[in-house]
Amino acid sequence: DGGITQSPKYLFRKEGQNVTLSCEQNLNHDAMYWYRQDPGQGLRLIYYSQIVNDFQKGDIAEGYSVSREKKESFPLTVTSAQKNPTAFYLCATQSDGGRKTQYFGPGTRLLVL
Amino acid sequence: QQQVKQSPQSLIVQKGGISIINCAYENTAFDYFPWYQQFPGKGPALLIAIRPDVSEKKEGRFTISFNKSAKQFSLHIMDSQPGDSATYFCAASSDYKLSFGAGTTVTVRA
Repeated sequence: DGGITQSPKYLFRKEGQNVTLSCEQNLNHDAMYWYRQDPGQGLRLIYYSQIVNDFQKGDIAEGYSVSREKKESFPLTVTSAQKNPTAFYLCATQSDGGRKTQYFGPGTRLLVL
Repeated sequence: QQQVKQSPQSLIVQKGGISIINCAYENTAFDYFPWYQQFPGKGPALLIAIRPDVSEKKEGRFTISFNKSAKQFSLHIMDSQPGDSATYFCAASSDYKLSFGAGTTVTVRA
C-alpha cells in the first residue's frame, strides 16, 4: 500500500509540552514538506526538505523543528514556543523531475488542552 | 503576504450548474499551477494542473483556463454534482515550493 502516512490522527498538547507529529512515505520522493492549515487561510509552509540531512525554513517556522535522517521520514516537533499550535497539520512529498506535483498525507489535527 | 489571491471565498451552485473559481498571482517565476480538492478532515488531492505555455486544459468536467499576460487562472467545474462539494485550492510553484490560495468552499445543491 503506497503513499504517505501521518500519525496520530488527533493529538492533544498540554501547556509547555513538546509534541512530535510523524510523517512516513514509501513513494521514494526526495522532497518532503510540512504545512499548517487554519480555517480561511489556506496552507502555510512550515519546513521543507529536498534531501536527507538537509531542510529549510518555510514561511512560519517559528516554534517548530524538524529532522530528516531518513528519506522515508520527516517528523515535525511542535515546541512549547509555538503559542497557538491548534491547527490541521499536513505532510506532503513532491515527485521528482519536471512535474512538481505535491502529494498530501491525511493530516494530523493538533488540539491544546 | 499571500502570493496567490483566490476568489470567491465560497459559492453555492445548483446541480448541473457551472462553478468558477479565479486566482491571480504576481510572481512571474511561477511555472506550474495545480488545483487541489479537499474534503473535510482529509488531505488535499491533486485535481488538475497546467503549465504557463498552455492556455487551457480539460480533464473530464474540470477545466483550467490560463491567461499568462494577465497573470490569472481559473477553474471551471461543469455539470456540478453534489459529490463536488469540497474546498478547492489553487496553487503556484517555483523551484521546490508551492504557494496556495486561501481556498474556495463549493456547495452543490441537489
